[in-house]
Amino acid sequence: KAGVTQTPRYLIKTRGQQVTLSCSPISGHRSVSWYQQTPGQGLQFLFEYFSETQRNKGNFPGRFSGRQFSNSRSEMNVSTLELGDSALYLCASSTGTSGIQETQYFGPGTRLLVL
Amino acid sequence: QKEVEQDPGPLSVPEGAIVSLNCTYSNSAFQYFMWYRQYSRKGPELLMYTYSSGNKEDGRFTAQVDKSSKYISLFIRDSQPSDSATYLCAMSGAQKLVFGQGTRLTINP
Repeated sequence: KAGVTQTPRYLIKTRGQQVTLSCSPISGHRSVSWYQQTPGQGLQFLFEYFSETQRNKGNFPGRFSGRQFSNSRSEMNVSTLELGDSALYLCASSTGTSGIQETQYFGPGTRLLVL
Repeated sequence: QKEVEQDPGPLSVPEGAIVSLNCTYSNSAFQYFMWYRQYSRKGPELLMYTYSSGNKEDGRFTAQVDKSSKYISLFIRDSQPSDSATYLCAMSGAQKLVFGQGTRLTINP
């Protein structure tokens, strides 16, 4: 089975711009979660989508948004980028049937640099 | 205070040593405890998954959970250079999943 894929792998943007990241889950997985990973804060949960609906949400500002399509693929959008948004953004998928405690299968991440 | 505390290291040990990695937590609702391993430029991968208190062994890896002390550990026996990675603890319960900051481990040949 193919793993979780994320595109693009690297991005450089400037402050004030917006960015869209994409995630394709493992085939058959219906839950997609997004995380931000930085050296200072570690791995922080952004949100989880299941069956095209946001099911859980972390403590991030409204500039961070996401959506999920009928084929379970997901996108994450960050508007009005700030320098502090520079991070590795990880997507993880799971079957979604048992909630957030299910094993998460992570993609390789998208490394975003905001200048 | 963070819900999950993990010493970020770095931790450097010689090949063959026993490694002990630890996390403490404050939320009593956590019931599921996990350890993930993350190699450089890769996403985390699940190493161990335990439910409630007790020990679980998988090859050279042993996960230990002590819910009364709110303390979990991962032991690596006969450590190898290929074990060099960042190890993240994670715990979940009550529809919440929280990761530790990760401990960077280097095994020196």
